[in-house]
Amino acid sequence: EAGVAQSPRYKIIEKRQSVAFWCNPISGHATLYWYQQILGQGPKLLIQFQNNGVVDDSQLPKDRFSAERLKGVDSTLKIQPAKLEDSAVYLCASSLESGYANEQYFGPGTRLTVT
Amino acid sequence: AQSVTQLDSQVPVFEEAPVELRCNYSSSVSVYLFWYVQYPNQGLQLLLKYLSGSTLVESINGFEAEFNKSQTSFHLRKPSVHISDTAEYFCAVSDPPGGYNKLIFGAGTRLAVHP
Repeated sequence: EAGVAQSPRYKIIEKRQSVAFWCNPISGHATLYWYQQILGQGPKLLIQFQNNGVVDDSQLPKDRFSAERLKGVDSTLKIQPAKLEDSAVYLCASSLESGYANEQYFGPGTRLTVT
Repeated sequence: AQSVTQLDSQVPVFEEAPVELRCNYSSSVSVYLFWYVQYPNQGLQLLLKYLSGSTLVESINGFEAEFNKSQTSFHLRKPSVHISDTAEYFCAVSDPPGGYNKLIFGAGTRLAVHP
């Protein structure tokens, strides 16, 4: 079974530029998550989708971050414009459903450096 | 809101020695607790979880964790570590319990096993 795929693996941009990350979840997984992991901290949930609807985006900085999950499969996370403090690893995860008993499977992440 | 504290940012240990990675959470109400492991250049993987029932849970590779409600702790232990256990370990709690499977992570503990 293929795991969660993410691209690119690394990205370096200058502040005020825009960037987009792509995630392909495990086939059949209805729930998709985007996390931000700043160096020295644990992952922090940015947004959670159930199929193509948003169930939690309370910690997403909506003035600069946006995410979509078209057709309930792939997802894209965008930052525009980027700030220095956005430097982090962006993790995508998926699970069969959204209940607590459903294990979240994580992708390898995209490491973003903003200079 | 829930919070998770991992008391040690780094734990160095010699191969075949026992190890304990400490985790405390903030809430005294019912919770679901998880340990995730992140090997170098890989995504997070679920190591073990406590949902209900026996307070001692085990993983397939020899780790175990004990849920202690009175001390609000979920420490991870292994009686004899291997070089291959070198990784970062994250403790997480569900928030809210039984909800949309939102996880709150601790800052992580880097386990370094030396020969």
